[in-house]
Amino acid sequence: DTGVSQNPRHKITKRGQNVTFRCDPISEHNRLYWYRQTLGQGPEFLTYFQNEAQLEKSRLLSDRFSAERPKGSFSTLEIQRTEQGDSAMYLCASSSATVGEQFFGPGTRLTVL
Amino acid sequence: RKEVEQDPGPFNVPEGATVAFNCTYSNSASQSFFWYRQDCRKEPKLLMSVYSSGNEDGRFTAQLNRASQYISLLIRDSKLSDSATYLCVVTSNFGNEKLTFGTGTRLTIIP
Repeated sequence: DTGVSQNPRHKITKRGQNVTFRCDPISEHNRLYWYRQTLGQGPEFLTYFQNEAQLEKSRLLSDRFSAERPKGSFSTLEIQRTEQGDSAMYLCASSSATVGEQFFGPGTRLTVL
Repeated sequence: RKEVEQDPGPFNVPEGATVAFNCTYSNSASQSFFWYRQDCRKEPKLLMSVYSSGNEDGRFTAQLNRASQYISLLIRDSKLSDSATYLCVVTSNFGNEKLTFGTGTRLTIIP
């Protein structure tokens, strides 16, 4: 499968714990995006990378959230000191600069108890 | 006010019927417009882009009215497989770096 992959698919954690999610984009895509989706809502933009550079961050991305894309390939999203309000589906997408269409991965569903 | 507003539905329509969804956006600087489809517990997938001239893809027709900041999607001869949530999406630039989604409209096609 050459689509966007995300791991883990599901994560259950206790409040206060740290969690890290991984996204592997489509191999030739240089842009990578993170979104968050809660029940009954559309996805909300969190942050965006072009190659290894993080070019935009939403104000939704509090100090407890950090994203990296160290070699311009896969990306990680870490949430420190998780809160119940962090429970959501975290979606990753990738695109190429020339085509522009964003292809989404299956998401990581986070539940904070 | 949300940047992109949609009627969340649900819309329950019989198979073969025509159904129309509407969406409004608040940022007049928005540049690109899309409809995405999201099946239950799946990721969003691009259904079609939306242009001022209108565009059609099989049973699906999308229309953009920039003056009214209004986007529409029409589905003709609806199929059971059309059951999904339809997300209206805008971007503020042609590079499409940041997609802004509506809440989505849930459609169920009834046999």
